[in-house]
Amino acid sequence: AQSVTQPDIHITVSEGASLELRCNYSYGATPYLFWYVQSPGQGLQLLLKYFSGDTLVQGIKGFEAEFKRSQSSFNLRKPSVHWSDAAEYFCAPEDSNYQLIWGAGTKLIIKP
Amino acid sequence: GAVVSQHPSWVICKSGTSVKIECRSLDFQATTMFWYRQFPKQSLMLMATSNEGSKATYEQGVEKDKFLINHASLTLSTLTVTSAHPEDSSFYICSARREGEAFFGQGTRLTVV
Repeated sequence: AQSVTQPDIHITVSEGASLELRCNYSYGATPYLFWYVQSPGQGLQLLLKYFSGDTLVQGIKGFEAEFKRSQSSFNLRKPSVHWSDAAEYFCAPEDSNYQLIWGAGTKLIIKP
Repeated sequence: GAVVSQHPSWVICKSGTSVKIECRSLDFQATTMFWYRQFPKQSLMLMATSNEGSKATYEQGVEKDKFLINHASLTLSTLTVTSAHPEDSSFYICSARREGEAFFGQGTRLTVV
């Protein structure tokens, strides 16, 4: 069965520091891959997506993610985080029925 | 961009009453909408897929008589939590797809007292 793992329940990063959130998926073929952000009191917002082609994808708010087939990973990165980046981040591959499979989420905490 | 609007954003109801949550696609037509439930500090759990003009498809373990879904038009799906109990308290989120991308409502925080 398809599954997704976000191994870090929460991560604390100093403002201005770099960030990497991990995501590993288990799927027979290369799925479509998404990262969403959920800020307190707000809905889910799409950060970026990977369908095919260039394995390094750029998203909104300065985020990027790299698809690595050999590692079945789709880690999210940002060179320099801002306090407004504090939120919950979800990695979600899409299965063959176009259903999103949700990771447990990683809560990002920003230290001033 | 596509917007999905969910209403209300929060509701408190008494145990035994029913609550209706609306999900609207504001600038596109959605033949399919999805309803999720999110427990505190947990991920989203797909409850059901709402299909315009037909019955919803429920995920295993979700009571269809408890969570009534109606998708009467291409822009509106409703989720009614019937005879709500405190254990139904949760964050409910709807989603609609357009051109391969999922758009989400703001969510509804339901508290049953």
